Formats: sequence, structure tokens, C-alpha cells
Amino acid sequence: EAGVTQSPTHLIKTRGQQATLRCSPISGHTSVYWYQQALGLGLQFLLWYDEGEERNRGNFPPRFSGRQFPNYSSELNVNALELEDSALYLCASSFGGQVGYEQYFGPGTRLTVT
Amino acid sequence: GEDVEQSLFLSVREGDSSVINCTYTDSSSTYLYWYKQEPGAGLQLLTYIFSNMDMKQDQRLTVLLNKKDKHLSLRIADTQTGDSAIYFCAESTGGESAGNNRKLIWGLGTSLAVNP
Repeated sequence: EAGVTQSPTHLIKTRGQQATLRCSPISGHTSVYWYQQALGLGLQFLLWYDEGEERNRGNFPPRFSGRQFPNYSSELNVNALELEDSALYLCASSFGGQVGYEQYFGPGTRLTVT
Repeated sequence: GEDVEQSLFLSVREGDSSVINCTYTDSSSTYLYWYKQEPGAGLQLLTYIFSNMDMKQDQRLTVLLNKKDKHLSLRIADTQTGDSAIYFCAESTGGESAGNNRKLIWGLGTSLAVNP
């Protein structure tokens, strides 16, 4: 069974540009979560999508947005990139909502903003 | 506010037991998780414990939960070099009735170094 996949592996952008990160969940999983893992800050919850709808978002500005497609894959968009957006962005999927359901993580997209 | 704290580093000798500790603040947490992140790899769920349990054992892993003190620990018996990784503690907040307001709060991770 294929795991969670993310693309691209690495992304280099300059300040002010937009970045688009993609995630494909495990087949059968309806929930997708996005996390930011910046150095020294641990895992910060960004967004949770389930059945095509945004269910919850973390304490991030509106320039972080995303969507979930009918096939449950998801996209994370970061507009007006800032240097501090440089981080590893992790996507996870689960079979249902967050509580009590194991989240399976992808390998991440390393975003570097210069 | 919601917070999960862990010590950042732990170093043990191969064959010894490792104990990684975590404290959390949300008394309505329903599940507490331990995830492992190996270098260059994604996070992997090691184990989780429901808040009405005190202990859970799974092969070399033992999870202890002290709900009164909001303290969670992960014990790895007979630690091997392959156990070297970052271990994250996470709690689900908001309780069962919180609906979409439930979320996972993560610690910063404990980097475990196993010395031969």
C-alpha cells in the first residue's frame, strides 16, 4: 500500500513569491493535515481538511491556505512568502477525524525562502 | 494555554533503558501520542494511550500516564542504535465533545542518541 506522498521534495522561492505544496493521502483516508516544522519550534499545526472541507486551522496568518480535492488529495498555498516561512512542511492523513485515529505522515516538502 | 513540553536531548548507552518524559496542560486531553522521526524520514506513530489508562505496554515500549500530574513518559527497554531518533509527544485537545475544535498539540521533540 502506498504511503502519503508529497511534492515537491524541495522548493526554493524568494521573498514575496507564492509556494504551492501538494499531498496525496493514503488510499481510503479522508482527512489530511498540514504541519510546519521549523527549526526549534517543533511541529506546528496548520490546517485540517476532511471530506473536502477545512475543519480547523492553527495560528497562522491567512496567507497560508489550502484546499482538498474530491480525490482527497490536498494543496497548501503560501502567499507573500517571508524568510521565516522556511521550514519542513509535513502532510499527514488519517481514516477520519483527528482524535483517536493514527496520522500517517509523508516525507515532507522542504521550503527555503531566500 | 495549550502546551506540551519535553526535554530536548537524551543520551543513553546501547542496551540501557531510555525514558523520555513529557508534560501537557490540557486536562481534557483524550489521547496522548508518541511519534518517532528518524533522520530524513517522516513521522511514525509509535504508540498512543487513551486518557483513562495508566499504562500501556507494547514489546519494548512502555507508556506511563499520570493524569493528575499531566505527565506522560515513554520507556524503551534494551535501547538499540536504531532507536536513535527524535521522539515527539502530542496530545489531542478539546475532549470528545469539541468537534472540529479538537487538534493535536505537539512537543518540540526529544532527540535520543544511543551510544554503542
